[in-house]
Amino acid sequence: NAGVTQTPKFQVLKTGQSMTLQCAQDMNHNSMYWYRQDPGMGLRLIYYSASEGTTDKGEVPNGYNVSRLNKREFSLRLESAAPSQTSVYFCASSADPVEDTQYFGPGTRLTVL
Amino acid sequence: ILNVEQSPQSLHVQEGDSTNFTCSFPSSNFYALHWYRWETAKSPEALFVMTLNGDEKKKGRISATLNTKEGYSYLYIKGSQPEDSATYLCAFTNYGGSQGNLIFGKGTKLSVKP
Repeated sequence: NAGVTQTPKFQVLKTGQSMTLQCAQDMNHNSMYWYRQDPGMGLRLIYYSASEGTTDKGEVPNGYNVSRLNKREFSLRLESAAPSQTSVYFCASSADPVEDTQYFGPGTRLTVL
Repeated sequence: ILNVEQSPQSLHVQEGDSTNFTCSFPSSNFYALHWYRWETAKSPEALFVMTLNGDEKKKGRISATLNTKEGYSYLYIKGSQPEDSATYLCAFTNYGGSQGNLIFGKGTKLSVKP
């Protein structure tokens, strides 16, 4: 089992460029999440998908879109990157959206110049 | 706005010391409290999930308690080792909250000196 995988691991973008962060899990989990982690801010939820076919906004959704492609995959898209989106992005998954432990991917370090 | 507070922000102890830190959360409509361990350059790993008032969980030298009526949880590490150095996160969820919306504290960063 690979658990939760994320690609790429590192990325540098120029302001205005777009990109998609990919996430996949092989644990047959129903729920998937995207977080960003900034110094002094802790983990903040961007978007989540409680089950296949549904997505909902988290605490900081502006500037992002998501797609739950199937049960395994949940992608995060930045349409027009801004320096404020420089961060480390973590994908996570869980069997149940409320009670169960979330399992995290290794993270993507994104820098927007 | 729901808030999870962790204290202290950082902690430096000597190898062999026992230590504890606190997570405070809103007590109304409590559903679950999670503890995670986050080593530098890695991703958070789950330690415990607690749902009942008075719950105590233990994994090796690490244990946690939960008081849902007053809204706090303690994490204890007995006989700290250098490999315990990490940031310890707690996260809270409540009834009526958005499904899947774990609210994380900012963490307590523990450094254990050999």
